[in-house]
This record gives sequence, structure tokens and C-alpha cells, in this order.
Amino acid sequence: DTQMTQSPPSLSASVGDRVTITCRASQGISNYLAWFQQKPGKAPKSLIYGASSLQSGVPSKFSGSGSGTDFTLTISSLQPEDFATYYCQQYNSYPLTFGGGTMVEI
Amino acid sequence: DVQLVESGGGLVQPGGSLRLSCAASGFTFGFTFSSHYMSWVRQAPGKGLEWVANINQDGSEEFYVDSVKGRFIISRDNAKNSLYLQMNSLRVEDTAAYYCVIDVSGRNWGQGTLVAVSS
Repeated sequence: DTQMTQSPPSLSASVGDRVTITCRASQGISNYLAWFQQKPGKAPKSLIYGASSLQSGVPSKFSGSGSGTDFTLTISSLQPEDFATYYCQQYNSYPLTFGGGTMVEI
Repeated sequence: DVQLVESGGGLVQPGGSLRLSCAASGFTFGFTFSSHYMSWVRQAPGKGLEWVANINQDGSEEFYVDSVKGRFIISRDNAKNSLYLQMNSLRVEDTAAYYCVIDVSGRNWGQGTLVAVSS
């Protein structure tokens, strides 16, 4: 199984900050990596697929990069609505696996 | 916009069964239910996300996480734009919100249905 390790598990930030979350795969997954945002009590929302492709309707302040085993999600200027938990997921091989999540809080 | 609505969750005793359903709607020309893999993903209370199963476009291939193999069955009815998850021999550790998801990359998610396994 491909293990996905996210870091940090949580971070404190302020409005306007640039935030970077990393995700490392235990083996190469090419660019089969997605990022999701989840707010308390809500379903996850897709932000990025293919490591760097923005889902339709997602603001351009979100960006993704990486290939192989190391990936990053960057939020260019944090806004109040961005405080949430973020998850990465690999879909290169079965079982599909998620990272443990990164909680972004004030 | 595509909408996914799950149903069928509830409280069940260990060893019991439940069948979850997911009704999909809002597809547009070129983006149809039958053209996409579909998945079930779950989230135990206060925990992270766990992929459970998915099924290919015509239902001929199914994939499962090891912990549910032999107990859960994923299926779909493309004529009804619907996805299902038959859950048998339920365990306390299956307690979670279950989400219906389009594509292996998680393109769209339903709002989830809660399954509680407890005596």
C-alpha cells in the first residue's frame, strides 16, 4: 500500500499569510495526487487533481505542485473561509489512500 | 452542477446489514454518470478520510479496501444514475459518515450518510 504522509498535522496562520502544506508518498505515484478541503460538519471539497490542475470553480489562490513522491499545496493569501482541514489523496494504485490531514487554524 | 445524495444510513447492531444508496443528478452533455468511476469514502467520527470501494464505469470491476473485502459490495445502476453499497457483517469500527464520490480523483462528493454500528 502507498502511505501518504502530510505535514504539518496542524498549523496556525493569519489572514493574508501564504501557507504551504506538504504530502509525501511512500512510493512514486507520478502526478496521481488530489487535494481536498473539509470544513467542520461538511463533506470534503475537491481543490486540485493531477497534482496541479485546479478543479472548476476553485479560486486561483490555491495551487499544487510536485510529482513522484513529494507534493505541495499552497494557499497564496489566506482568507477567513480557508480555515479548514486539508487532505491529500493518491489515486495511482489500490488501495487509494489519504494523508492524515492538515488543520489550518488561526 | 452535479449533485450526489446519499441515503440508507442508520443505527445497526454488530453483525447486521445496511444498504446505502447514492442518487446522482445534474449531469450535462459530455459529463454523464455512466462515464465515471464511482467511489465510497468514509470518515469515522473525529478521524480522517478512508477510501472504501470503487467501481468502474460499466460495473464490471470492483475494488475494495482490505478491511471490507468479503463484507461490502459496491454496485451501480447507470439507467438510474445510482450507486449502492451493500454492507454486511457490520462491525463497530465501520461506524462513520459514508460519502459517495465521483471519479478516483474525488471530483464531486455527496453530503454523506451516517452509519452507526452499536449494540
